[in-house]
Amino acid sequence: AQSVTQLDSQVPVFEEAPVELRCNYSSSVSVYLFWYVQYPNQGLQLLLKYLSGSTLVKGINGFEAEFNKSQTSFHLRKPSVHISDTAEYFCAVRTPTSGTYKYIFGTGTRLKVLA
Amino acid sequence: DSGVTQTPKHLITATGQRVTLRCSPRSGDLSVYWYQQSLDQGLQFLIHYYNGEERAKGNILERFSAQQFPDLHSELNLSSLELGDSALYFCASSVGGGQLQETQYFGPGTRLLVL
Repeated sequence: AQSVTQLDSQVPVFEEAPVELRCNYSSSVSVYLFWYVQYPNQGLQLLLKYLSGSTLVKGINGFEAEFNKSQTSFHLRKPSVHISDTAEYFCAVRTPTSGTYKYIFGTGTRLKVLA
Repeated sequence: DSGVTQTPKHLITATGQRVTLRCSPRSGDLSVYWYQQSLDQGLQFLIHYYNGEERAKGNILERFSAQQFPDLHSELNLSSLELGDSALYFCASSVGGGQLQETQYFGPGTRLLVL
């Protein structure tokens, strides 16, 4: 069975510092990986996704993530965070199954950017 | 504003009752997805409809059902409600049939409280 683990439930970081939000997955089949952001009292917004090709994926708002198949990881990074990046971040895995697909989310990481 | 609308914004009801949540996708989008976000279960994919047909099913309970109408709006029906069904229910839409290249646009959600 597929699963997604976000190791950190909360990450505090000072403004303009770099940040890495960790995501590990477990799957016996090919996976497609996503990061979403949820700002307070809003719906989800796609940050980036890995489907194939280059393992370094660039997304919106200066975020990037690297797919590491050997470590089954898809960590999200930003070199310099802003106060406005304070939000909850979700990693998700989509896997094909029997002509359809499964879509599983991690438990989320709450990023708190401090002034 | 994603262009996806959901009604109502808030809903308070009692255990054992039945409710209907409505989602209108962005103009031109053919797919609608439903998600549940609760403190207990986290973020879960429930179901995906494309042009009126069910395309994928996630962790949707048998007490829950959905449909997509000819005008492409969708309704999520929740019956025999339990306290644990209290959650934020999101819908999202995308232009095609859920291909990996598509971006899902999320609505603001309906917050359901079961007392």
